[in-house]
Amino acid sequence: EPEVTQTPSHQVTQMGQEVILRCVPISNHLYFYWYRQILGQKVEFLVSFYNNEISEKSEIFDDQFSVERPDGSNFTLKIRSTKLEDSAMYFCASSGFHRSDTQYFGPGTRLTVL
Amino acid sequence: AQSVTQLDSQVPVFEEAPVELRCNYSSSVSVYLFWYVQYPNQGLQLLLKYLSGSTLVKGINGFEAEFNKSQTSFHLRKPSVHISDTAEYFCAVTDGSGNTGKLIFGQGTTLQVKP
Repeated sequence: EPEVTQTPSHQVTQMGQEVILRCVPISNHLYFYWYRQILGQKVEFLVSFYNNEISEKSEIFDDQFSVERPDGSNFTLKIRSTKLEDSAMYFCASSGFHRSDTQYFGPGTRLTVL
Repeated sequence: AQSVTQLDSQVPVFEEAPVELRCNYSSSVSVYLFWYVQYPNQGLQLLLKYLSGSTLVKGINGFEAEFNKSQTSFHLRKPSVHISDTAEYFCAVTDGSGNTGKLIFGQGTTLQVKP
C-alpha cells in the first residue's frame, strides 16, 4: 500500500539554524499539507499546497517558514531561523483529487531546537 | 472559525468492554468529519470519515461513529475493545465549503485498554 514517508525521523538543531524537513507524498496525490504537534498539545495545521502554490496557511506559518515541491516527488518544509518554540513533531500529509479525500499522514519528524 | 472539542483526555477501559470517545465541533455548516488513530511512534491513520448521507459511519478495526447535526457531535464507539486498540484518537473537521482540506483537530483522547 502506498504511504507517505518523511525524513529525518528526528532532527536536533541549534536555535537560529535553518532546517529542512522532507516528505515524499503518495505519487498521484494533488494536495499536500504540513501539520505540527507540540508535545502535549493538539495537531495544528500549518499550510496546504496545491497546483504548485500555497492554497492556505495558518497564522503560525510566518515568514520564517516556506514550502517547496522541488522535483515533483518531494515536498519540503523549511524553517529559516529556528526558535525554541519550533520544537515539535511535524507531520506531512497528502490527499488525492478532492479536498475532502482522505489525508494520508507520514510518521512525522521530531524537531528538537536547543 | 471551526473548533473541535474532545471531552475526555484519557479513557481507561477493560478489554472486551464497550467504549465511546466523545467529539463535538463548533459549527454544523457543511462539514466533513474524521477520526484518526495514532499508535506509538507512528503517523495518523484514518479510522473513518463522514462526508454526507447515512449518519452512522463504519470504519476499520470495528469502530463506528454517529454524526449528530443537532448536537454537533461525532462520537466514536466500539462494542468490544482489544489491548491493541490502546492508542491516541483524534477527531478532526474540515470546512466543506472551504478552498482546501485543512483539518482542524481536537486535543486527542488516549484510550488505555487494560487486561
